[in-house]
Amino acid sequence: EIVLTQSPATLSLSPGERVTLSCGASQSVSSDHLAWYQQKPGLAPRLLIYDTSTRATGIPDRFSGGGSGTDFTLTISRLEPEDFAVYYCQQYDSSPLTFGGGTKVEVK
Amino acid sequence: EVQLVQSGAEVRKPGESLKISCKGSGDNFRNYWIAWVRQTPGKGLEWMGSIYPGDSDTRYSPSFRGQVTISADKSVTTAYLQWSSLRASDNAMYYCARQLSPVYYYYAMDVWGQGTTVTVSS
Repeated sequence: EIVLTQSPATLSLSPGERVTLSCGASQSVSSDHLAWYQQKPGLAPRLLIYDTSTRATGIPDRFSGGGSGTDFTLTISRLEPEDFAVYYCQQYDSSPLTFGGGTKVEVK
Repeated sequence: EVQLVQSGAEVRKPGESLKISCKGSGDNFRNYWIAWVRQTPGKGLEWMGSIYPGDSDTRYSPSFRGQVTISADKSVTTAYLQWSSLRASDNAMYYCARQLSPVYYYYAMDVWGQGTTVTVSS
């Protein structure tokens, strides 16, 4: 099973700032089969990025994904008020599919 | 627009059975894998398994195999998650989600249901 570790657990930032979230895998995620989700309280997760760097439909271009192998990142170029949420990475390279523990981006 | 609508919150006693549902809209329901995902404060998001409604091919996470049953009825575009004997550890939010690609067994999930809360308490 591929274990995904996200760091840090919490980030305190201000609107307008740039942020990069990290996701480390316990073994290589081949075929770049890694996704990022955003979740707000009381709502289901929302797909942001798949295949490491492809934005899902309707996702603004301030969100970008990168990385390969065991190290992946999600960057938000300029935080908007609606971006304060919890972010999860997920690998779908091998079964069982697994999620990271999440990074909470909160208002400073 | 594809939507997944889940059944409402459930409260059961330990040992009771339960079946929750996830109804999809759109003609392509049978052609996309539907996943079930559990969310708890302690363990976060966990993939339980996925089903292809077109032929009911089902894949389970080893952690959930034997603990739950995933099924689907393509005639009513609905997927199901069921327990034969609930435990307190089944307390959680359960989401169904469509896997983005109709080709791969496993993929990112682009459409999610609103979630079903399951409470197991004596």
